Amino acid sequence: GAVVSQHPSRVICKSGTSVKIECRSLDFQATTMFWYRQFPKQSLMLMATSNEGSKATYEQGVEKDKFLINHASLTLSTLTVTSAHPEDSSFYICSARDRTSGGGTGELFFGEGSRLTVL
Amino acid sequence: EDQVTQSPEALRLQEGESSSLNCSYTVSGLRGLFWYRQDPGKGPEFLFTLYSAGEEKEKERLKATLTKKESFLHITAPKPEDSATYLCAVRNSASKIIFGSGTRLSIRP
Repeated sequence: GAVVSQHPSRVICKSGTSVKIECRSLDFQATTMFWYRQFPKQSLMLMATSNEGSKATYEQGVEKDKFLINHASLTLSTLTVTSAHPEDSSFYICSARDRTSGGGTGELFFGEGSRLTVL
Repeated sequence: EDQVTQSPEALRLQEGESSSLNCSYTVSGLRGLFWYRQDPGKGPEFLFTLYSAGEEKEKERLKATLTKKESFLHITAPKPEDSATYLCAVRNSASKIIFGSGTRLSIRP
């Protein structure tokens, strides 16, 4: 299957600082990437849809000014958690769909996830 | 409202003991049902996509089936390395993907 790389895999930061997480599709181009958040023993909650060259679409209840998303190229999307607080500590996962797969009905491929701990 | 419900929440099996995981769904215009495996601290790993009722797919000890209301992930003669959380997700007519809460599968040697 297609490969999606996420970096960093773990990050610890102080409260009030900003953290950037990168998501790259390594062997395919992705016009759309998705950012999820996952709490322990819970399923993935979609935060936002990242569209190459345009503004991200945020799910209800997700603060767009706090979770900045940039999708500057067909292979890279970034999520920046601004002014992070302990309640932002979570497992963040990105995913991407191969733009050539199934006319948009293809499966999602996920990154390895990034564990954020805010002290 | 589109919804995905997985059961059981957790399942413990003895090595070699076959069983099935259930994924029930309500969705406006199914555009695909997906099964993923997730190991602790890792992102989900794609397993299968099913598009229409009656469709079946197999991979090693896993077999996924689909009806109009639910999907089953059958695991035959599981091994300890099959222990993981198995996630089910559906894509609706608006291309939104909705995940279930997963089944935590534990296989005892």
